[in-house]
Amino acid sequence: NAGVTQTPKFQVLKTGQSMTLQCAQDMNHNSMYWYRQDPGMGLRLIYYSASEGTTDKGEVPNGYNVSRLNKREFSLRLESAAPSQTSVYFCASSERGLAGAPDTQYFGPGTRLTVL
Amino acid sequence: AQSVAQPEDQVNVAEGNPLTVKCTYSVSGNPYLFWYVQYPNRGLQFLLKYITGDNLVKGSYGFEAEFNKSQTSFHLKKPSALVSDSALYFCAVRARGGSQGNLIFGKGTKLSVKP
Repeated sequence: NAGVTQTPKFQVLKTGQSMTLQCAQDMNHNSMYWYRQDPGMGLRLIYYSASEGTTDKGEVPNGYNVSRLNKREFSLRLESAAPSQTSVYFCASSERGLAGAPDTQYFGPGTRLTVL
Repeated sequence: AQSVAQPEDQVNVAEGNPLTVKCTYSVSGNPYLFWYVQYPNRGLQFLLKYITGDNLVKGSYGFEAEFNKSQTSFHLKKPSALVSDSALYFCAVRARGGSQGNLIFGKGTKLSVKP
């Protein structure tokens, strides 16, 4: 049981390049999330998917797109990378219970992205 | 609007001493509260959560947290710190009835436990 996996672990891009960060979970969770972590800022939600086929914007969605490919996989795409997107990106998943249920999120190991 | 404050960027404790990592929150209505820990170059790991009921919540690795509604606080505690507890700790809050996308994290507190 691998939990939440992310690829790649590290990536260096030049400004304007595009890339897709991959995330997969094997816990049969309904909900998945993408966060970015910046020093002194905590974690900020980029996008989330409450269930297969749905996606919603979080606090900082600009410059990103997401795809919930199936129940297991949730990808994050940077169409034209900018230095401000240098960050550590975390994917998470959770069981979706009743509306408002306090489901626990489980995190992947992260992708460290540098945009030059 | 929801918010979480972790007033200390860093907490230093000697091994064997008790530790406290502070968290205060602001949310409309009753909250769900969480603590996560992040070891270097790793993802966040769930420690414990408060849903309802007993104000003292026990979690993983001997940690516990006390919910105080009047002070809107949810401080993380451990009676006897270990060097291996050194890590970054995050408090998070979500309002009851809120969507899963509304889990708000604090900025984190670095805990350093010295031998």
